Amino acid sequence: DSGVTQTPKHLITATGQRVTLRCSPRSGDLSVYWYQQSLDQGLQFLIQYYNGEERAKGNILERFSAQQFPDLHSELNLSSLELGDSALYFCASSTQTGATSGNTIYFGEGSWLTVV
Amino acid sequence: GENVEQHPSTLSVQEGDSAVIKCTYSDSASNYFPWYKQELGKGPQLIIDIRSNVGEKKDQRIAVTLNKTAKHFSLHITETQPEDSAVYFCAASTGSARQLTFGSGTQLTVLP
Repeated sequence: DSGVTQTPKHLITATGQRVTLRCSPRSGDLSVYWYQQSLDQGLQFLIQYYNGEERAKGNILERFSAQQFPDLHSELNLSSLELGDSALYFCASSTQTGATSGNTIYFGEGSWLTVV
Repeated sequence: GENVEQHPSTLSVQEGDSAVIKCTYSDSASNYFPWYKQELGKGPQLIIDIRSNVGEKKDQRIAVTLNKTAKHFSLHITETQPEDSAVYFCAASTGSARQLTFGSGTQLTVLP
């Protein structure tokens, strides 16, 4: 158990809908990262927050947004969903910002999103 | 941006044999290279990492080597066991925000 908690574990929704994925980082971690894992794209970095502020953006679509709240939990909002958005979405956390020696990034177990 | 290539995509070995997974990266500014293991239905878990100023690091049956000049790094697992069966990802940390770029993964199967 990494200590990173994600909900829901599984989600099935229709095209055009909007969903929110929730993440609670490990106790004491200030950084939260979101990744998308699909069969054809592998693990893709979406976005990172550090202590409530956006720190880095990766390949995140405009239909997707995220935020980190004062209690450090984070939410990833996915809207106007398309079939191609079906994937496993991971949240990860670390104490400081960025992947460096001594700042391990810990992953949650992911949220399976299926768009039908 | 950074591009990380990983080979092979699948690897089957007999229990007790060694397994080697190789990765190459493109950005010479990358300076941190972790390896993650992902078991079925779980998130990636860090198993070993190496900094760019170190050539080799070992932790029990797992070792990682880094060749900065050639921009490649490898994971070595010795005396493999069935519980080593999983998908292994290499990654490189780069950019001002030190984000991880992952390789495409290697499905390792250890046959009993």
